[in-house]
Amino acid sequence: DTAVSQTPKYLVTQMGNDKSIKCEQNLGHDTMYWYKQDSKKFLKIMFSYNNKELIINETVPNRFSPKSPDKAHLNLHINSLELGDSAVYFCASSQERGGRETQYFGPGTRLLVL
Amino acid sequence: DQQVKQNSPSLSVQEGRISILNCDYTNSMFDYFLWYKKYPAEGPTFLISISSIKDKNEDGRFTVFLNKSAKHLSLHIVPSQPGDSAVYFCAAISSGTYKYIFGTGTRLKVLA
Repeated sequence: DTAVSQTPKYLVTQMGNDKSIKCEQNLGHDTMYWYKQDSKKFLKIMFSYNNKELIINETVPNRFSPKSPDKAHLNLHINSLELGDSAVYFCASSQERGGRETQYFGPGTRLLVL
Repeated sequence: DQQVKQNSPSLSVQEGRISILNCDYTNSMFDYFLWYKKYPAEGPTFLISISSIKDKNEDGRFTVFLNKSAKHLSLHIVPSQPGDSAVYFCAAISSGTYKYIFGTGTRLKVLA
């Protein structure tokens, strides 16, 4: 039974399009995250939500907008996709937002912008 | 500015021997450190952690050492097994920031 799931697993799209990546966790966790792993393999946090409230918003373009309909879901919507958005996007969750808790990661969504 | 660095992108070790993966950090505010393991096409999974009040934490074949004065931590795997072949990320947190700073990863290959 998958703990943190992401859809789609692969996403190939044209520049300028708008796309969404969905994330769901069935662990009952209160906090969810989005990370981006770029071509240099850096894994960097983008956003974090705790009980549907935004608690971390790193310096990412405002073309990226997270949406949390409930605490089990954190979706990532990207407008006007650019070539540089090509990366692997990981969703994660943790029990609390204290920072020391283990994070549970989804399998990643591989986005390729052509 | 990469605050957490893993300077060895890859490491090969013979099965049964010790694997030592290194991680350096620059921010003295970091007070909690974790190691994650990642297989291809999967997300990272938690392996072991250490608080800055300790210098060693052990869990089975895995031991993490922390040298605060050198701002250095290492993960020892002994004995190494082929199933340990993966990418290992270290991560650091300063309390209350809610976010991990990850290193760039070291790809470990354990040779049978």
